[in-house]
Amino acid sequence: GENVEQHPSTLSVQEGDSAVIKCTYSDSASNYFPWYKQELGKRPQLIIDIRSNVGEKKDQRIAVTLNKTAKHFSLHITETQPEDSAVYFCAASTGGGNKLTFGTGTQLKVEL
Amino acid sequence: GAVVSQHPSWVICKSGTSVKIECRSLDFQATTMFWYRQFPKQSLMLMATSNEGSKATYEQGVEKDKFLINHASLTLSTLTVTSAHPEDSSFYICSAREPSRDRVGYTFGSGTRLTVV
Repeated sequence: GENVEQHPSTLSVQEGDSAVIKCTYSDSASNYFPWYKQELGKRPQLIIDIRSNVGEKKDQRIAVTLNKTAKHFSLHITETQPEDSAVYFCAASTGGGNKLTFGTGTQLKVEL
Repeated sequence: GAVVSQHPSWVICKSGTSVKIECRSLDFQATTMFWYRQFPKQSLMLMATSNEGSKATYEQGVEKDKFLINHASLTLSTLTVTSAHPEDSSFYICSAREPSRDRVGYTFGSGTRLTVV
């Protein structure tokens, strides 16, 4: 089955700096890659997603890049703010309503 | 957008008792519901996939006789933790695929914090 690895497990940045989180996946059939932000005790919230027919997608301060050949995708957050502090998860799916496999998570801390 | 309502949001039960968690799709028909478990400071681990009107598919290592899943209608899926023990204490979340044909996505319930004492 699919295996998604995520790095780093913790990331501390200064407010205004950029943060990058990286994930690799194993199943070449995976074609949908969402990123979620989860605050303590809450449901995961989708922040951005990308499909395998696209190499990059951007939404204001957040961007995701996908390298299908290398089977890795990354989340980029620019101009970080304290409210960006949370746990971020990447995930992968083969689409068609199939299950999501989550990465191990990254605790992002944005310090003033 | 699509909404999945999950309840209870938290429950405390005694060891050996059973607990039922419900997830309802409020404005769409969820033919498939996914059930996840999340231990503190860990990732979401898929427990099972339930399909309306058929038996759930359990992930390796998940006891199907302990975690009973019922998906009897297109808007309701339930997870029953039977004979709960303290090690079953966790955050349980359901998820359904968003119904839009134009986008791929998953909507999550708000989660249930189960504490077994």
